[in-house]
Amino acid sequence: GQQLNQSPQSMFIQEGEDVSMNCTSSSIFNTWLWYKQDPGEGPVLLIALYKAGELTSNGRLTAQFGITRKDSFLNISASIPSDVGIYFCAGQLSGNTPLVFGKGTRLSVIA
Amino acid sequence: EAGVAQSPRYKIIEKRQSVAFWCNPISGHATLYWYQQILGQGPKLLIQFQNNGVVDDSQLPKDRFSAERLKGVDSTLKIQPAKLEDSAVYLCASSLAGAYNEQFFGPGTRLTVL
Repeated sequence: GQQLNQSPQSMFIQEGEDVSMNCTSSSIFNTWLWYKQDPGEGPVLLIALYKAGELTSNGRLTAQFGITRKDSFLNISASIPSDVGIYFCAGQLSGNTPLVFGKGTRLSVIA
Repeated sequence: EAGVAQSPRYKIIEKRQSVAFWCNPISGHATLYWYQQILGQGPKLLIQFQNNGVVDDSQLPKDRFSAERLKGVDSTLKIQPAKLEDSAVYLCASSLAGAYNEQFFGPGTRLTVL
């Protein structure tokens, strides 16, 4: 089945630093999504990407849909303590197919 | 606007016992999803409902898992009998009809099977 590879698995950064994480797939997706999950909560949608090459921002977050449609990255600028959590990428082939999630990147921010 | 509600939040059972989880989606959301999230993994779709009909249950272990959404609103997910490998967080999500990529997740039920 389809699999998404997220990297890094975990990262420790200093408050104020920028963060970059990415997600790759062996097959094409037509929608890429980035979620954040806090402990004891469900994932919350951060950014949705619908077109190859698209670059979208949401506050300090920026995500891009790779041109090959097999990858996406998420950047967080000027990290703050509340950025701590697990970030998941998810791909969707078409509008009525299930989301496929990566294994997540666990972000820790040191104040 | 109220979010997706799930109960219980935590459940501990012994293997071979039965367990049921409940989900109340966001009002007006026709599509409801149940996911299984094993520790260290991303969510995996178990079943998707559109109103009270099943859209996709291809990854639901039907020998022990069942789900229903009788009136097209609330849903229950049941495991009978539970196995050790069923220990996971069970997430419910909902979306407007057709908006499969704009799903809103509940807080989940953490199941521990001993």
